[in-house]
Amino acid sequence: QKEVEQDPGPLSVPEGAIVSLNCTYSNSAFQYFMWYRQYSRKGPELLMYTYSSGNKEDGRFTAQVDKSSKYISLFIRDSQPSDSATYLCAMSSLPNAGGTSYGKLTFGQGTILTVHP
Amino acid sequence: NAGVTQTPKFQVLKTGQSMTLQCAQDMNHEYMSWYRQDPGMGLRLIHYSVGAGITDQGEVPNGYNVSRSTTEDFPLRLLSAAPSQTSVYFCASSYSMYTFTYEQYFGPGTRLTVT
Repeated sequence: QKEVEQDPGPLSVPEGAIVSLNCTYSNSAFQYFMWYRQYSRKGPELLMYTYSSGNKEDGRFTAQVDKSSKYISLFIRDSQPSDSATYLCAMSSLPNAGGTSYGKLTFGQGTILTVHP
Repeated sequence: NAGVTQTPKFQVLKTGQSMTLQCAQDMNHEYMSWYRQDPGMGLRLIHYSVGAGITDQGEVPNGYNVSRSTTEDFPLRLLSAAPSQTSVYFCASSYSMYTFTYEQYFGPGTRLTVT
């Protein structure tokens, strides 16, 4: 079983829709949760970052973390064609968490999103 | 600043050949890492470095070597290329291993095909 699972999609929505992207994870030591956006044939770029549980909002983007369910989400409001990309979740643990995973990001498989006009 | 640069952009190798993928950053970042990206697998960490002279293995290190003699450069060596190493390789850097979770910059990638 992979430590991080992400539905690869693809997901196709009309412009203006609310998009929900999700990841589940199994490693309870994960405390840092990130969402990356990757345009075709480009490197990933960090979109949002959350530490521990809760919500974080940045413009049209909201990241949620539910540690009790080991579930994280990214919501995109009023989606635009320019949001069409692959979205990757990534996670890491705290230092001295009793394991060796600090300093390393574990990524989900990525969800391909297309927003059509 | 050029950010994170990678060369070459594309490469075709025959099975058994060796080569070095170059990665450089001009941001004085301590933390650098190498990932490979395969369809349906996401990004998987190959090796990482928390400073000059210090490297460690990631999730999929077999068949790859790294060294970090300077802060700026972090080359990835394929010792004897195999078709299973066909992938897109990304280098990334961050100010330190304490900032990589919220501030990591990726290079444009190297597309490698091994025949």
